[in-house]
Amino acid sequence: QQQVKQSPQSLIVQKGGISIINCAYENTAFDYFPWYQQFPGKGPALLIAIRPDVSEKKEGRFTISFNKSAKQFSLHIMDSQPGDSATYFCAAGRTGTASKLTFGTGTRLQVTL
Amino acid sequence: DTAVSQTPKYLVTQMGNDKSIKCEQNLGHDTMYWYKQDSKKFLKIMFSYNNKELIINETVPNRFSPKSPDKAHLNLHINSLELGDSAVYFCASSQGAVPGELFFGEGSRLTVL
Repeated sequence: QQQVKQSPQSLIVQKGGISIINCAYENTAFDYFPWYQQFPGKGPALLIAIRPDVSEKKEGRFTISFNKSAKQFSLHIMDSQPGDSATYFCAAGRTGTASKLTFGTGTRLQVTL
Repeated sequence: DTAVSQTPKYLVTQMGNDKSIKCEQNLGHDTMYWYKQDSKKFLKIMFSYNNKELIINETVPNRFSPKSPDKAHLNLHINSLELGDSAVYFCASSQGAVPGELFFGEGSRLTVL
């Protein structure tokens, strides 16, 4: 019940295109869904996060879409740029002191010129 | 000024040896974590400390022993290293637990020969 499934494993998108990464979770107690971005040789960094009381959150070119009934959420990167090339992780967690984030398996995004 | 710093960045050692990784955060956060990232980039939590108290202890061999001398520091000691311990170990911190943003260090790459 703690698993977060992420797809695709890798993605190649042309510059200016839309990158879409999908995640699905099982535990209905999860109430926090962040996306992290990781560049080679660096630690992951928070990109954008959503709570289940909204169905969409947008920050610049990055949008999270959330479907509570389907237990799915996705990251859309509009106008993808070569600088967006990185590994993206979805995660899910439940509010609480001893709670933790469960990460998806990661998606390696390559944006080509 | 680095927010979450880990040392060393690289460790190469023989099977059976003992090694330590140190982590310090200057963000004033009260919660610190150790994550392990394997060769497939999968991120898995190992331990979490809140105000020097161990609050999350995942199914990790007891060869791994975390220590938090104060809330700004979290160290990881590994005894009797095995080949399967080769990975990148990330320290992270947050203010409170979920849904707090995790701030990751740059990682310590451990290679066991």
